[in-house]
Amino acid sequence: EAGVAQSPRYKIIEKRQSVAFWCNPISGHATLYWYQQILGQGPKLLIQFQNNGVVDDSQLPKDRFSAERLKGVDSTLKIQPAKLEDSAVYLCASSLVRGQAPVGTEAFFGQGTRLTVV
Amino acid sequence: AQSVTQPDIHITVSEGASLELRCNYSYGATPYLFWYVQSPGQGLQLLLKYFSGDTLVQGIKGFEAEFKRSQSSFNLRKPSVHWSDAAEYFCAVGPSGTYKYIFGTGTRLKVLA
Repeated sequence: EAGVAQSPRYKIIEKRQSVAFWCNPISGHATLYWYQQILGQGPKLLIQFQNNGVVDDSQLPKDRFSAERLKGVDSTLKIQPAKLEDSAVYLCASSLVRGQAPVGTEAFFGQGTRLTVV
Repeated sequence: AQSVTQPDIHITVSEGASLELRCNYSYGATPYLFWYVQSPGQGLQLLLKYFSGDTLVQGIKGFEAEFKRSQSSFNLRKPSVHWSDAAEYFCAVGPSGTYKYIFGTGTRLKVLA
């Protein structure tokens, strides 16, 4: 079974530039998550989709971050303009959850995109 | 508000020694609890999970965890650590029905040969 795919693996940009990350979840997974992991911290949820609808984006800095999940499959996370404090690993995860979640459903994580803003 | 606390930022153990990583959570009802491991440059891999039933759960790679409701804890244990276990370990809570996982700050494990 193919896992969660993310690209690019690494990205270095200057502050005020824009950047986009791509995620392809596991086939058939209805729920997709984007997490931000700052060095030395645990992952923090930015946005959660179920199919192509947003379930939770309460911690997404909407003045600079945007995300979409067209057709309920792939997703893109964008930052525009980037700030130094956006340097982090951006993790995408997916789970089988749809509607009433069956017990035992877990999230599967991609390898992440390491962003460095200079 | 829901939260997860991992009191130990770093832990060092000798290979072959036993291991216990602590996790405390704050949540009003019974949460879904998880332990994930992250090796350098890798994503998170699920070690084990607890939803209900037997409070001692077995996971992959010889890990186990015990849910103690009275202590709001979900500590991870392994009887004999291998050098390949060196990684960062994250405890997470996922309120039932939302699957919005909240992670602790992690414990970095170092294994001495």
